[in-house]
Amino acid sequence: EVQLVESGGVVVQPGGSLRLSCAASGFTFDDYAMHWVRQAPGKGLEWVSAISWDGDNTYYADSVRGRFTISRDNSKNSLYLQMNSLRAEDTALYYCAQDSLASPYTPGGYFQHWGQGTLVTVSS
Amino acid sequence: SSELTQDPAVSVALGQTVRITCQGDSLRSYYASWYQQKPGQAPVLVIYDKNNRPSGIPDRFSGSRSGNTASLTITGAQAEDEADYYCNSRDSSGNRVFGGGTRLTVL
Repeated sequence: EVQLVESGGVVVQPGGSLRLSCAASGFTFDDYAMHWVRQAPGKGLEWVSAISWDGDNTYYADSVRGRFTISRDNSKNSLYLQMNSLRAEDTALYYCAQDSLASPYTPGGYFQHWGQGTLVTVSS
Repeated sequence: SSELTQDPAVSVALGQTVRITCQGDSLRSYYASWYQQKPGQAPVLVIYDKNNRPSGIPDRFSGSRSGNTASLTITGAQAEDEADYYCNSRDSSGNRVFGGGTRLTVL
């Protein structure tokens, strides 16, 4: 059974930093690209970032580019999101999601499995 | 603003058929995938590629595409289908993008 378990969400002040983690199990982690998707309270889903199976290629939404960094450690079956210069509008539930393919840019990919999310609140 | 447009809310009578649509230029080139999200839960994949369902998704869910519009059809809607539904495809840069979501109410 595929499991994705996010952690690291807390209350942080504007301008602060945070690192989210996602522990994966139940599948061959380094066969798949991975994503972070967020959902602000009462709002829709927003794709945040993606990373290829080997970590060599990373992609970001315009809203987080230059502030967030996605990474992975295939030896630990783990995905990370380093979040810097946090803003109130970054407040959201952050989901880790498994792609169906090794590269997030390959046509036809989709989000096979999702974690339950970790809540990030940016507030003074 | 999203490059994929969905109606904010749709309703359907119990047992009837409902179509949820998603419009965007990228849909001319890419298939949409569809996700169901119930309150307090993570999204779940219900349709991917041309019209494929993951295991465990009832066959009353189906997908289609025509021009720049993708559709999710529920044939014989059940009370448990009441949820938010999101389409996903690509933006003009090739990044993933979600539609704004459609809240489905089963009457």
